[in-house]
Amino acid sequence: AQSVTQLDSHVSVSEGTPVLLRCNYSSSYSPSLFWYVQHPNKGLQLLLKYTSAATLVKGINGFEAEFKKSETSFHLTKPSAHMSDAAEYFCVVSETGGGSYIPTFGRGTSLIVHP
Amino acid sequence: DAGVIQSPRHEVTEMGQEVTLRCKLISGHNSLFWYRQTMMRGLELLIYFNNNVPIDDSGMPEDRFSAKMPNASFSTLKIQPSEPRDSAVYFCASSPYGGDVGDTQYFGPGTRLTVL
Repeated sequence: AQSVTQLDSHVSVSEGTPVLLRCNYSSSYSPSLFWYVQHPNKGLQLLLKYTSAATLVKGINGFEAEFKKSETSFHLTKPSAHMSDAAEYFCVVSETGGGSYIPTFGRGTSLIVHP
Repeated sequence: DAGVIQSPRHEVTEMGQEVTLRCKLISGHNSLFWYRQTMMRGLELLIYFNNNVPIDDSGMPEDRFSAKMPNASFSTLKIQPSEPRDSAVYFCASSPYGGDVGDTQYFGPGTRLTVL
């Protein structure tokens, strides 16, 4: 079985400061992990994904995430926040082998960026 | 490509009425997902199709909800009769390969449903 926990429902940062959005997962098999972003009144858009290649994954808009199997984490980071980063972020896990392919979404983390 | 297209973008209806939401997949994509998003419950998967066949509909709330894929590029989600608790944003998403755990999902803009 697979599950994903986003540890913060809201994260507030000032523009220009680093961003950290935390995600822990549980998976019985080799997982694929994703981060999606949802801007207000929009659909979700893929930021980045991990599929068993390099553990440090770079995505769009300067975001990156590191897959840490020992910690079962896939935290999303960005060195310097921009006002346009304010959005809802979803961590997603999907596992291969045995179980269903269907991805499981976290509850989301709302990123607030102050000027 | 125009991306995933959903219609209508907004729907306001009265309790008891039938509601039909529509989704056009990205050309060539094999998988289709319907989601519902509310503040209380977050993003919920309702049903998942692969190559036009429903694979998992365990998320469909009850018999009032039904989904179809009459062809490879189009899907409908019907609610009959609608109830106020069905008010939500409904998203469809398609993915290219179907059955690939690393597949990216491409989301439509959503349909905001309000049932009075």
